[in-house]
Amino acid sequence: GESVGLHLPTLSVQEGDNSIINCAYSNSASDYFIWYKQESGKGPQFIIDIRSNMDKRQGQRVTVLLNKTVKHLSLQIAATQPGDSAVYFCAEDGGSNYKLTFGKGTLLTVNP
Amino acid sequence: DTAVSQTPKYLVTQMGNDKSIKCEQNLGHDTMYWYKQDSKKFLKIMFSYNNKELIINETVPNRFSPKSPDKAHLNLHINSLELGDSAVYFCASSPAAANYGYTFGSGTRLTVV
Repeated sequence: GESVGLHLPTLSVQEGDNSIINCAYSNSASDYFIWYKQESGKGPQFIIDIRSNMDKRQGQRVTVLLNKTVKHLSLQIAATQPGDSAVYFCAEDGGSNYKLTFGKGTLLTVNP
Repeated sequence: DTAVSQTPKYLVTQMGNDKSIKCEQNLGHDTMYWYKQDSKKFLKIMFSYNNKELIINETVPNRFSPKSPDKAHLNLHINSLELGDSAVYFCASSPAAANYGYTFGSGTRLTVV
């Protein structure tokens, strides 16, 4: 079936660098996309979302880019900090009002 | 005040037992969910409820029975626990539809021995 996937299961960066986490999706019916951060022992935490009528959205130190042509989503984190170390998930609505389908997750490790 | 709270946080039990996990949200959201996260961190939806009504049941074995007494609560009862049920279970809620984003609880780590 259609699913959301990630290119990189792990990403290691130096503190202060910019991080880019990628996500490929295949459900063309998806209208809503969202990134979550999950720290060890905690529940996923909302970072930023974007709807299909946009191709870029910025938050505090984070930017989400959506390329509908190639069905690609990315999360950019500026000036990565040790506190950004976590597993990052992308998710899509798949055209459903009542569920989000999650990708596999990328473990981001920030080295001091 | 915790927005989405689950109890217990940890649950260790023997195969064949029956157990329940409780979830409550104080956000006034209409929709609640249960997700299962396996050892590889994959999050898979189990159920979604909107205003106490079951909307989605993602081919979950009928040993799992959710109950929503009101729209602020969604509990999960599991009968005849199996080793493969060991996972972290997350409750979540959203304002109306899922495409407004979820707020997750902190999870219940279930270990079946």
